[in-house]
Amino acid sequence: EAGVTQFPSHSVIEKGQTVTLRCDPISGHDNLYWYRRVMGKEIKFLLHFVKESKQDESGMPNNRFLAERTGGTYSTLKVQPAELEDSGVYFCASSGGLDRTQYFGPGTRLTVL
Amino acid sequence: GQQVMQIPQYQHVQEGEDFTTYCNSSTTLSNIQWYKQRPGGHPVFLIQLVKSGEVKKQKRLTFQFGEAKKNSSLHITATQTTDVGTYFCAVRPGSYQLTFGKGTKLSVIP
Repeated sequence: EAGVTQFPSHSVIEKGQTVTLRCDPISGHDNLYWYRRVMGKEIKFLLHFVKESKQDESGMPNNRFLAERTGGTYSTLKVQPAELEDSGVYFCASSGGLDRTQYFGPGTRLTVL
Repeated sequence: GQQVMQIPQYQHVQEGEDFTTYCNSSTTLSNIQWYKQRPGGHPVFLIQLVKSGEVKKQKRLTFQFGEAKKNSSLHITATQTTDVGTYFCAVRPGSYQLTFGKGTKLSVIP
């Protein structure tokens, strides 16, 4: 069974540019989560989808971040315009059914210059 | 929101020595989970504890949940170089989202 995949693995952009991160959850998992780890700090929750609906987006830092999950399969996280403080590793995780264990993807390392 | 304090932040041990990381909360926890992240990798689920005083073992790893369900520990016996990484505790204050501790970065000197 394929795990959670994320694309790209690395992204280096300049301040003010736009970046879109993609996450493909484990097939059949209705729950999809985005987390972020800024260097030296803890992993922080951003938002949670149940199928295509945003269940909880309380962790989204501001309106420069837009997450979508059209069709309830893969999800995208767009940062527009990117700022220096957005640099970090963005993890996606998914869970399904009665098992709430969250399986993490390899992450996207975002560097904003 | 619910937070967990994790200590120590860093731990350097000689291969073969034991290692322990601790998580503490000011409020009673419904459950606590432990994850391991290898250098350059992603968090990998290790275990979940839900019962007061629960102790679970995975080979050389021992996980404990305090009687008051406010603290937890992960103990590794006789560390190996493969144990290198950052160990995180995490709690689920609501139904789904995880709140992570800051992690303990373990270095093992061969």
